Amino acid sequence: GQQVMQIPQYQHVQEGEDFTTYCNSSTTLSNIQWYKQRPGGHPVFLIQLVKSGEVKKQKRLTFQFGEAKKNSSLHITATQTTDVGTYFCAGYQGGKLIFGQGTELSVKP
Amino acid sequence: NAGVTQTPKFQVLKTGQSMTLQCAQDMNHEYMSWYRQDPGMGLRLIHYSVGAGITDQGEVPNGYNVSRSTTEDFPLRLLSAAPSQTSVYFCASSYGYQPQHFGDGTRLSIL
Repeated sequence: GQQVMQIPQYQHVQEGEDFTTYCNSSTTLSNIQWYKQRPGGHPVFLIQLVKSGEVKKQKRLTFQFGEAKKNSSLHITATQTTDVGTYFCAGYQGGKLIFGQGTELSVKP
Repeated sequence: NAGVTQTPKFQVLKTGQSMTLQCAQDMNHEYMSWYRQDPGMGLRLIHYSVGAGITDQGEVPNGYNVSRSTTEDFPLRLLSAAPSQTSVYFCASSYGYQPQHFGDGTRLSIL
């Protein structure tokens, strides 16, 4: 069926290390959205990618959308303790916004 | 601006009881949806609506009903609660395929 897969499920890093989470869809996506959820909170929108091969940056965060519009990645350079949380990708499949399972990031100071 | 408001924030039910989770938004968004979040499962879509009077099933609709009589409100009904429905429930809204605005969630425990 329709799926959005995200890996890894967990990532533990030392503060200052880089972090990457990957998202793959079983179908071509019109766009892909990324969200961050802090522990105990609700998902908060980070960015939306629309174009094939698109790359967007937000300070230390770099988002990429694959050429085939079926995969995406989020890379954080030099993680900080404020980056702790779960990062979700999401894409529309058949009119439904489907979320990946999320990658939980913990950062050791 | 209230955004997306969910009530209640916490609820404990007994197996077999019914209840309604409320969701209201004041942004005139046509797209509203309900997700449940369980450890390791991410956010799974239960039901969604693209406008008043229109609803459709998501990934895990069984055991839940929804209706959309107004643009603002999108309640989620548990018909006969089961322990497997213990979860955190999030309501979200958006303009079409634009970014979702989430409520604070309802933490539901079913004994």
